[in-house]
Amino acid sequence: EAQVTQNPRYLITVTGKKLTVTCSQNMNHEYMSWYRQDPGLGLRQIYYSMNVEVTDKGDVPEGYKVSRKEKRNFPLILESPSPNQTSLYFCASSLLGNSPLHFGNGTRLTVT
Amino acid sequence: AQKITQTQPGMFVQEKEAVTLDCTYDTSDQSYGLFWYKQPSSGEMIFLIYQGSYDEQNATEGRYSLNFQKARKSANLVISASQLGDSAMYFCAMREADAGGTSYGKLTFGQGTILTVHP
Repeated sequence: EAQVTQNPRYLITVTGKKLTVTCSQNMNHEYMSWYRQDPGLGLRQIYYSMNVEVTDKGDVPEGYKVSRKEKRNFPLILESPSPNQTSLYFCASSLLGNSPLHFGNGTRLTVT
Repeated sequence: AQKITQTQPGMFVQEKEAVTLDCTYDTSDQSYGLFWYKQPSSGEMIFLIYQGSYDEQNATEGRYSLNFQKARKSANLVISASQLGDSAMYFCAMREADAGGTSYGKLTFGQGTILTVHP
């Protein structure tokens, strides 16, 4: 089944403790992206990648890192999480071009 | 200026009736794509329908259709014969070409409209 898989679905952590949210897609998509969703602010892009070893900042990259060592994987790293990073995170992928994004099921992160 | 504007924070519709969710967009690009997504209470983002800027016909997918008015920069979603399972948040989004016109970057989302279907 074609899908974007992100893990974990739920994560509660403490301020400053490094964490990684994994994202993997099995559709051979070149484009991958991370979004965060917050009430009243909609979905905002954090980082995106057009291909292996090519990443770029989105609208809200501060406090996040990503890597794209393989085409299928695009992990999101929070080196030192803070409470303002409490949010619902989505990974998404698509073909290059004007194609719809396919989303993972989301990761609800709480930083205390 | 907002790239995507959804002016209806919430909408109500009776089961089996049609409903229109409004979306206007702002771009100076000639080539772009417009998308609608559904987010039920379980949280996942479900792709519903796509309209390309050069498409002359309005897109349709089952009970979903997109009323595309290019000159007015509007891309309203029409849901016919509403069902209780249609109750969800609906997002309009746009994907624009980069400066070279060959690659498409991020999807920019509107704020969303919460649709409630009454029995």
